[in-house]
This record gives sequence, C-alpha cells and structure tokens, in this order.
Amino acid sequence: SAVISQKPSRDICQRGTSLTIQCQVDSQVTMMFWYRQQPGQSLTLIATANQGSEATYESGFVIDKFPISRPNLTFSTLTVSNLSPEDSSIYLCSVRDSLYGITFGSGTRLTVV
Amino acid sequence: AQSVTQLDSQVPVFEEAPVELRCNYSSSVSVYLFWYVQYPNQGLQLLLKYLSGSTLVKGINGFEAEFNKSQTSFHLRKPSVHISDTAEYFCAVSVSGGYNKLIFGAGTRLAVHP
Repeated sequence: SAVISQKPSRDICQRGTSLTIQCQVDSQVTMMFWYRQQPGQSLTLIATANQGSEATYESGFVIDKFPISRPNLTFSTLTVSNLSPEDSSIYLCSVRDSLYGITFGSGTRLTVV
Repeated sequence: AQSVTQLDSQVPVFEEAPVELRCNYSSSVSVYLFWYVQYPNQGLQLLLKYLSGSTLVKGINGFEAEFNKSQTSFHLRKPSVHISDTAEYFCAVSVSGGYNKLIFGAGTRLAVHP
C-alpha cells in the first residue's frame, strides 16, 4: 500500500496562531482526504483534495478555517487557522489507493494552549 | 445517508479468549466495508475490507469479519486474542461504494487482560 509521511507528528500551539500539516505520499494518488479525530472520538472527514481542483469540504468545515493545498499528486497540506482549544485533535491524512483502499498517515496531534 | 453503529464502546476480554466486535451499518446503496485498528498514539491501520464476493473476509493479525447483508452487519472476530491486540477498533463504510471518503463508527476499545 501507499506509504504516507505526515509532519509534524505533534505540536503545541498558542491560541490565535495557525498550524500547517504536511502529507507526503510515496506514489502518485488521485484522491487525498483530511480527517479530524477529537479527543476520545471517532474520525470525521474535513475535506477531500484532488490535484488541480479546489478541495471539497464537508458540512461544518470551511475553507477559511481549514485551507488545503494540493500542488501535485504526492503532496498536500492542511492548515488549521486561528487556533482555539477546541481545535485540539489528531489530524490525519489519508489517500485512496486503487489496490488497498484508503490508507492513513500516522497523524498529527495538535494541542492548543 | 450512510451511517455506522458500533454496538459496544468497550470490550474487555481475557488473553486467548475469542472476541467479537459488532458493527451495523445503514445504507440505501451498495457499500464497501472496512475495519481499522488504532494502537495508542498511532494512526489507523487497515485490518480487512469487504468489497464484493465471499462474505467471510480474512484480514491481518488473525482477524476476520463476516458481511451479512440481510442484517446489515459486519462483525469482526478473532478466535484467540493477545495482549498486543489491545487497541481501538473502527468500523467504516465507504460512501457510495468504492474507495471514497469513509464514514466511521464511534469505535470499540478492546482491552485484553492477562
């Protein structure tokens, strides 16, 4: 399956600042997804990012808060803007792999203080 | 709209005992079904998936799951668990089939005791 490198693995940020999370894949993939896992909760899809087009956001998530870039078929970034304590979560990148389904990165654990 | 219900939030079990983690889904269309495992402080790892064909699916680490269309269930089983199986397990359904965005259940915490 595709191998995903996600950075940073964890960070502690001040409220009001922003954090940009990087997702690098070892092969070209069409579809990339960003999920959020709030403490003790399941995963919720934030947005789907296809190369060459605007990201598609799920209900409850907006581009101003979660801007996404997808410059090529192996890379994407998610920025969490204007941080508040409620943004403290694990953020996971995932990709669609034609053989293995959907593969996840190891996640970024964000704590907002 | 699709949804996934994991019927048990926590399942305690003794080592070498069998275990079943329950998952029910609702969907008006064909779905692909997945089980993922999340070990502490790690990302998600795919255990197994059902796409089509045989309703009994075998995955990694000795896990298997059975797709039951009439009961809209996809329960995960292992005949003998190990301490190392202690983790969070998530059932998920792919929207409209295919390898698209996933809808996850709330998760089941499997705690294996010696």
